Amino acid sequence: AQTVTQSQPEMSVQEAETVTLSCTYDTSESDYYLFWYKQPPSRQMILVIRQEAYKQQNATENRFSVNFQKAAKSFSLKISDSQLGDAAMYFCAYRRADSGGSNYKLTFGKGTLLTVNP
Amino acid sequence: NAGVTQTPKFQVLKTGQSMTLQCAQDMNHEYMSWYRQDPGMGLRLIHYSVGAGITDQGEVPNGYNVSRSTTEDFPLRLLSAAPSQTSVYFCASSFRGLTAYEQYFGPGTRLTVT
Repeated sequence: AQTVTQSQPEMSVQEAETVTLSCTYDTSESDYYLFWYKQPPSRQMILVIRQEAYKQQNATENRFSVNFQKAAKSFSLKISDSQLGDAAMYFCAYRRADSGGSNYKLTFGKGTLLTVNP
Repeated sequence: NAGVTQTPKFQVLKTGQSMTLQCAQDMNHEYMSWYRQDPGMGLRLIHYSVGAGITDQGEVPNGYNVSRSTTEDFPLRLLSAAPSQTSVYFCASSFRGLTAYEQYFGPGTRLTVT
């Protein structure tokens, strides 16, 4: 079974600084997707960024980028120029890539609570 | 589009009571699922459906029933609520297919069982 581990229960960063959230995963599959979701106090789950395992290039979305190390099974999220609105719980998630029924299942890590200090 | 809607937003039940959490989506998504979120546990899959009339169990299905009579709706039933079912419940949906990357989440239902 796939597992996702987020080893940092809490992180803090100063406004305008850069922070990196860690995620490792375990899978025997060669093709899969990895995601970072943001959950602000409103509870809404918001997709921040995704990475397809077959792509070597790291995904980037504005101030958010990932460092995807397939061999090490590592998928960290870097937030640049942190803003107060970035404060939230961040979840790393894994999904198999083929389109069979149960393969849409997302396996989540336990989350990292990010605090942004003004 | 309203996206994924869930009702109610909050609910308090007594042990042994039954209730149904409602989930609906207006995006014609084939795949729908229910997760529960507990402190320090992340989100865990309860049940999922790949289309009308087709459902299957996820990681933590005990104590929950689902059905999918239409593409739009995927209700979650608690037949006899227990304190261990106190949690936040999320419904999610997506298209099927190799490029169906994103799952869309509802706003969640906070359930307390006393």
